[in-house]
Amino acid sequence: KNQVEQSPQSLIILEGKNCTLQCNYTVSPFSNLRWYKQDTGRGPVSLTIMTFSENTKSNGRYTATLDADTKQSSLHITASQLSDSASYICVVSERTGAGSYQLTFGKGTKLSVIP
Amino acid sequence: DAGVIQSPRHEVTEMGQEVTLRCKPISGHDYLFWYRQTMMRGLELLIYFNNNVPIDDSGMPEDRFSAKMPNASFSTLKIQPSEPRDSAVYFCASSLLTGNYGYTFGSGTRLTVV
Repeated sequence: KNQVEQSPQSLIILEGKNCTLQCNYTVSPFSNLRWYKQDTGRGPVSLTIMTFSENTKSNGRYTATLDADTKQSSLHITASQLSDSASYICVVSERTGAGSYQLTFGKGTKLSVIP
Repeated sequence: DAGVIQSPRHEVTEMGQEVTLRCKPISGHDYLFWYRQTMMRGLELLIYFNNNVPIDDSGMPEDRFSAKMPNASFSTLKIQPSEPRDSAVYFCASSLLTGNYGYTFGSGTRLTVV
């Protein structure tokens, strides 16, 4: 069964500090990996999407890395802000057929940034 | 573009009542997805449509759940009769082409069944 495991489950950091969230997956065949940010009471919003050939992708203070060989990804947040407090969800896309894909969701890491 | 629009934002209903959740996808998106999110299980795919046709409903938990997409701009998820264990946040998402691009979620409907 395809799985996406995220760690840690929750994290508390001081404003201004950096942090790294981890995602390990067993999904195959791999199509792409996405990181979503979900604010409380809102739907998930895409931060990055990475294909097999991409190792690193940045979106402002967010930098995602992908190692397709070890099936691991990380999301690094630099100089955290209070507004970064949210759940971060790793999602892996599997190609299931011609033009069809299946997404497998991690359960997320809940990040709290405190002053 | 207003994004994916869901209504209502919150719904509280009594056990046994019928509940209907509504979704308007982004114009031009030809895939529509219904998800359920709980603390225990995270996001789970219930059903998805391509060009208004249901493609995979294997995630629908039981016959009490049904979904329709009568046209490209509207979909409903109905629970009849509702039970307390159906309490969750239900998300609608839409995307372009193969479902691998432009994936956008709505703000969700928080359902509480008492």
